[in-house]
Amino acid sequence: AQRVTQPEKLLSVFKGAPVELKCNYSYSGSPELFWYVQYSRQRLQLLLRHISRESIKGFTADLNKGETSFHLKKPFAQEEDSAMYYCALFRGFGNEKLTFGTGTRLTIIP
Amino acid sequence: NAGVTQTPKFRVLKTGQSMTLLCAQDMNHEYMYWYRQDPGMGLRLIHYSVGEGTTAKGEVPDGYNVSRLKKQNFLLGLESAAPSQTSVYFCASTPSPRTRIRNEQYFGPGTRLTVT
Repeated sequence: AQRVTQPEKLLSVFKGAPVELKCNYSYSGSPELFWYVQYSRQRLQLLLRHISRESIKGFTADLNKGETSFHLKKPFAQEEDSAMYYCALFRGFGNEKLTFGTGTRLTIIP
Repeated sequence: NAGVTQTPKFRVLKTGQSMTLLCAQDMNHEYMYWYRQDPGMGLRLIHYSVGEGTTAKGEVPDGYNVSRLKKQNFLLGLESAAPSQTSVYFCASTPSPRTRIRNEQYFGPGTRLTVT
């Protein structure tokens, strides 16, 4: 069965320091992976997806199939990055569902 | 476009009461989903629908029922509420799988439900 693991429930980082939110997955096929973000009192929104290879708000994430990881990184944290971050896995056609990790709450210390 | 909307935003129920949460989307999306969000548990899928008139069970379906009579609406019902159903409920929708961005889910603002 597919599984998404976010080992850190809470992460605090000083402003200007690098940020890395970890995500590991277990799935035997070719997954599509996503990061969703939920700012305080707002709805979840897509941050980025691995197939796009894009950088959003300074965040990047590389899919490492060997380590089955999709860690989210940003070189210099900003206060507005404080939020809840969810990693999610999509299995593909015929199974149009996302499996979410348990989330990491990121707090940026001024 | 309003996107995905949910009503109500807040609700307090007593154990045993029933209620229906409404999700509506105006993006002509094929797929719709209901999740619950609990501390330390992340988002868990309750039920989902791959088209008008269809529904399927997700990860935690017990105690909930759903209906998708119209493409734009997805209803979540609690027939006999229990304190364990205290949670924040999110609805989401996804475009047709025939589109390139088929896998992005668009979320509603959430409904905070408390069962006492």
